Amino acid sequence: QSALTQPASVSGSPGQSITISCTGTSSDIGSYNLVSWYQQHPGKAPKLMIYEINKRPSGVSNRFSGSKSGNTASLTISGLQVEDEGDYYCCSYGGSRTSRGVFGGGTKLTVL
Amino acid sequence: EVQLVESGGGLVQPGRSLRLSCAASGFTFDDYAMHWVRQPPGKGLEWVSVINWNSGSIDYADSVRGRFTISRDNAKSSLYLQMNSLRAEDTALYYCAKDIRRGQVFIFDSWGQGTLVTVSS
Repeated sequence: QSALTQPASVSGSPGQSITISCTGTSSDIGSYNLVSWYQQHPGKAPKLMIYEINKRPSGVSNRFSGSKSGNTASLTISGLQVEDEGDYYCCSYGGSRTSRGVFGGGTKLTVL
Repeated sequence: EVQLVESGGGLVQPGRSLRLSCAASGFTFDDYAMHWVRQPPGKGLEWVSVINWNSGSIDYADSVRGRFTISRDNAKSSLYLQMNSLRAEDTALYYCAKDIRRGQVFIFDSWGQGTLVTVSS
C-alpha cells in the first residue's frame, strides 16, 4: 500500500489561510469518505482534527475544515495561529480488498 | 477520559522478539477496533496493524505481515503486539490508537503516548 502524497511543507502568516493537499488513488481516497487528518506537535502524540472528509471532533476549532475532490483530500486552516504550527498527516482507508490504512508522508506547517 | 498506555518497548537485538501492551481505560474497550501505528525517529506515521472489536478481523501492513501478531483481551481492556524477527527498520515509537467504530475505518480518535522500540546490535 503506497503512502498518500502530501507537500513536505507549507507556511503562512498569522491570520492567513493555508491548504494542505493529500493525493491518493481511486482505490482509497477516490472510493471512500474515510479520510482523516491529524496534527502532531513535537514530542506529542497525533491528534485527530478532521474525519470522514469534513467532520470535526468535539473541541477542535472551526478554523479547521476538510474537503475532497476525486482522489485528493484537502485540509484548510483559516485564521492561522502560532499554535497551529506542527506536522499534519492525512490518512485513508485503503479499501475492502486490503482492509488496510495508509498515511500521507506528513506536511510541516510553519506559521511565520 | 480515554486513556491508552503503552508498555513493553526497549532495546532489542535484530532477530529477537518483543511484546508490546496497551492498557485502555475510560471507554468500553470491546466497542471499538484498535490499531498499532508506528513512527520512526524523525519520520512520518505508518499504520502497522488493526484488530476489530471481537478479534474477528485482523490485518497488517505488508512490512510486518508474517512477523507481527496483534491480539486483544477485552476482559482486561488490553491490546497487544507480538513482534518477532525484529529488524533495524522496525525501530520506531509504537502508538496504540483507538478507532471510532467497532469495525475498522482507520479513523483514530485517541492515541497513547507511545513506547519506543529500538532494534540494534
